[in-house]
Amino acid sequence: DAKTTQPTSMDCAEGRAANLPCNHSTISGNEYVYWYRQIHSQGPQYIIHGLKNNETNEMASLIITEDRKSSTLILPHATLRDTAVYYCIVRERYDSWGKLQFGAGTQVVVTP
Amino acid sequence: EAQVTQNPRYLITVTGKKLTVTCSQNMNHEYMSWYRQDPGLGLRQIYYSMNVEVTDKGDVPEGYKVSRKEKRNFPLILESPSPNQTSLYFCASSTLEQAGGHETQYFGPGTRLLVL
Repeated sequence: DAKTTQPTSMDCAEGRAANLPCNHSTISGNEYVYWYRQIHSQGPQYIIHGLKNNETNEMASLIITEDRKSSTLILPHATLRDTAVYYCIVRERYDSWGKLQFGAGTQVVVTP
Repeated sequence: EAQVTQNPRYLITVTGKKLTVTCSQNMNHEYMSWYRQDPGLGLRQIYYSMNVEVTDKGDVPEGYKVSRKEKRNFPLILESPSPNQTSLYFCASSTLEQAGGHETQYFGPGTRLLVL
């Protein structure tokens, strides 16, 4: 059961902000939004997560709409190293202890 | 440097020949896990361990064994490999708090296995 939908792919120019959308219209009140990315054939990398408030860390910002039915991951200044598949997932914390499950994700290509 | 190491990185073997993929972490993490990743199927958890001598099945445990005799090591054993176990394998570790919260998990570099 797909809880999130993301565009299949998107391009971004180096140095510009990359805005990655994610729809999660059936999200429940206890579910968090998590973002991970996977650079080709490397292990997944945690980026950020949030419940309802916008969040920012050294890697990215997460903007969650007020109704929580969608969110946007923002990479403020994309670099070539940000080329990766980005995964948006929603789940409760401490659910399925430690197990990561990804859908198809968005292939982001950052171009010079 | 904090890291998760896996060996070997690449392996070609034949059906039925027992093999072990090692995983070691130097961060004193309680939680360790094995995943396989296949095109179109995404990342699937094979086994996980929440501490020494504590292991449990993930979503696709058939054909695999694990052990956790020491905190730093979590080897994946294929007693009788078959071609459908050809895959990219990742080992991961984290603290229990991180694992529970689905936050940072540290992944190894991956092991690409081909079973002929």
